[in-house]
Parts: sequence; structure tokens; C-alpha cells
Amino acid sequence: DTAVSQTPKYLVTQMGNDKSIKCEQNLGHDTMYWYKQDSKKFLKIMFSYNNKELIINETVPNRFSPKSPDKAHLNLHINSLELGDSAVYFCASSQGGSGQVFTGELFFGEGSRLTVL
Amino acid sequence: QQQVKQSPQSLIVQKGGIPIINCAYENTAFDYFPWYQQFPGKGPALLIAIRPDVSEKKEGRFTISFNKSAKQFSLHIMDSQPGDSATYFCAASRGGNTGKLIFGQGTTLQVKP
Repeated sequence: DTAVSQTPKYLVTQMGNDKSIKCEQNLGHDTMYWYKQDSKKFLKIMFSYNNKELIINETVPNRFSPKSPDKAHLNLHINSLELGDSAVYFCASSQGGSGQVFTGELFFGEGSRLTVL
Repeated sequence: QQQVKQSPQSLIVQKGGIPIINCAYENTAFDYFPWYQQFPGKGPALLIAIRPDVSEKKEGRFTISFNKSAKQFSLHIMDSQPGDSATYFCAASRGGNTGKLIFGQGTTLQVKP
């Protein structure tokens, strides 16, 4: 039973298109995140949500819009895709992590590799 | 100030060797320092973590050494095995209660049989 699952695992699309990545966690955590890993493997936080509320927005372009319908799901929609958006996007979850008691561990999904042509 | 600098970028050791990966930070507000391990095609997974009130933490073959005054910490892998071949990331966060991790650049480790 996968703890943090993301779909799709791969996306290949043209510049200017819109795409979405879905994430679900079955760990009962209350905080979820999107991290971006670039071609040099550098990992950077994009957003975090706690119980459906946006907590962290790391000056990500407005073309990226996260949405959390409930605390087990966090989706990422990207408008007007650009070449520089090509990366692996990781969803993660944790217990606490937004000012409440943080267990210290992020649980990552397997990533969604986005390629913009 | 928000950066965590990690070195080396890549490392090759023989089985049984002790690879050491180093990280340095500037922000003295950081108070949680985890190490994550990532295999190809997988997400990072927590390996071991330390808070600045201790200078060393050991879990199995993995040890973190922490030097608060130098603002440096390192990961040692004892008796390394080919199965340890992966990318290792150090990270830091501040406030103790945030999942906002600032990651180092990563170190790709290859352990030769």
C-alpha cells in the first residue's frame, strides 16, 4: 500500500499547454508539500498545505496553482507550461510541520517527471 | 543565508570503505538537520537526523557528526555496501516545527563491489 502516491509518473507535453499532477497520502498526515527537483537533482520546496490551508508559497510563478480538496490530497496545476518547468515534481507529507509538533520526517512520493518540449 | 552547501558532488568508494559527505550552513536559526537518501526513480527517504544539542548521532552504519561552532555537519557511512549507492542530500530547517527543508546540492555515491 503506497503511502504517498502521485499520478501521473511521467508527463510529456508541449510549451503553452496546461497540466495537472495529483497526489494522495494515506498516512493520516495533516501537512502536504510540493517539492521540485531540477535536472541537477537540486530539491526546492514550492508549497506546503496544512489541513487544506496554504502555509508556504515559495515565490513560485502564478502559473503554478496548488489545490488541496482535503488533507489527504494535494494537486498541482500548471498553466502555460514553459521549457524551464521541466523537472521532477515530488509530493510529500508529514505529521505536523506547519508550526505544530513536527515529527521531523517528510514522506515523499516517487515523483512525476514533467518534460516540456 | 538560506543555503546549505554540500560536498563532494560525487564520490566513489570500494565496498567496506567509509564515505564522508560534508555540509555547511550559514543560518544559525537552523535547528534540525536531516539526511535523505534517494535511489534512481524514487523519492528521497529520511536516513538519519540530528538536532544541534548533540554532536553525534549513530543509527546502524550511518553516523552524523555535528559541529555547531563551525556550522558544519557530515554523514559517515561505515562498512559501505554496493546497496548504499544512491544520492544523499543533507538538509536543514529552522523553528523546529516546519517541514520546509533547505536541501544541499546532493552527493552521488557509488560503492564498488
